[in-house]
Formats: sequence, structure tokens, C-alpha cells
Amino acid sequence: GIQVEQSPPDLILQEGANSTLRCNFSDSVNNLQWFHQNPWGQLINLFYIPSGTKQNGRLSATTVATERYSLLYISSSQTTDSGVYFCAVEKGNFGNEKLTFGTGTRLTIIP
Amino acid sequence: AAGVIQSPRHLIKEKRETATLKCYPIPRHDTVYWYQQGPGQDPQFLISFYEKMQSDKGSIPDRFSAQQFSDYHSELNMSSLELGDSALYFCASSWTSGGSSYEQYFGPGTRLTVT
Repeated sequence: GIQVEQSPPDLILQEGANSTLRCNFSDSVNNLQWFHQNPWGQLINLFYIPSGTKQNGRLSATTVATERYSLLYISSSQTTDSGVYFCAVEKGNFGNEKLTFGTGTRLTIIP
Repeated sequence: AAGVIQSPRHLIKEKRETATLKCYPIPRHDTVYWYQQGPGQDPQFLISFYEKMQSDKGSIPDRFSAQQFSDYHSELNMSSLELGDSALYFCASSWTSGGSSYEQYFGPGTRLTVT
């Protein structure tokens, strides 16, 4: 099956810092999503970004499908940004739309 | 906007008991997915349904079964529960068109604890 790798596995930053999270995947994909899992366990949709660049407030994401990677940028970090960030991909063959998740990046923002 | 609804949010069962988790997808979404997330792990796909038919299957134990009903809600039935079944169970839904599915939206999850 498709492999999804995220880096770094852990990241500790001071409030106000910027960060870049990376997601590499081993095969072509139809869809790619970024999620934030908060300390209560909820998976929050951040971006649906099979290709190109999107921005939402302090967050932005870029997927280069031909090179099989995606980047999530977080600027001016806040303590509420703490949690685990997952990248998940989908191959896109009909009947095979499941998401395969990476192992996540655990982000801790220190006040 | 309406979101995916899961019930119950928390469930405590003893070994060898059964459990039923329910999922109500976003209105007009025709595909439902179930995922299991163990402690400190990433979510793992269990099973999915498109238009009330099973569309894909992952590493779902034979003790588990699921179905999607005519109103598109789905239920995950788990029997002979084991300690290792303790996990967060997510339901997600999406809209599928032309053989391609779109963004998956996740419910808040059901936290199952088996004692």
C-alpha cells in the first residue's frame, strides 16, 4: 500500500514562531488532506489540497503532486495550535477511497 | 453547517461484551468511512460504504461488522470485545461523483474503553 511519511515527528516552538511540516508519499494520489487533532481527540479539517497552494489565515499548504510531497506552514504560532498534525492521502481508484494517514507531527507551542 | 454525528461519545464495556457505534453523515453525503485510532497511533481505515453497499475493507477484525442503512446512517457492531479494542473510533463522510470521492469530514469520535 501507499506509504506516508511526516517530518519532523515532534516540534516544540515558542509562541509567535513559524513552522513548516512536511508530508512525503510514495505513490500518485487523487486527494490529500491535512488535519489538526486537538488535545480532546477531534480531527479538524485544515486543507483539502491534492495540488497547488491554499491559505487560510495563519495557515497555508502547498502540494507538489508530481514530486509527491506536501507542506503545511503555520505562522505566528499560538498555544491553541498545539496538537498533532496529520497528512492523509487517497489513491482515488473507485472503491478505494480510504485515507491513509501519516504518523503525524506533534506540535507543542510554549507561551 | 451540519457535521458528522457520532453516538455515543464515550463507551465503557467489559471484555467479551458487544458494542454498537452509530454514525450520521453530513446530509447529501453518500459515502461513509470508519477508522480506528489506538493510543498514540494514527487513524487506521476499517471499512467504507457507498450508497449502502460496502465499497472497501481494511484491517477490520471478523468480530466487527458494519452496515449503512437506507437513511445513510451507519452502524459499527463489535462483538467479543477485547482489551486491544480500546480506541477512538471515527466515522467520516464524503460525497462521491464520477468514481471519485471528495473531501472526507470526520465526526468527533467515540472513545471506547474495554475493561
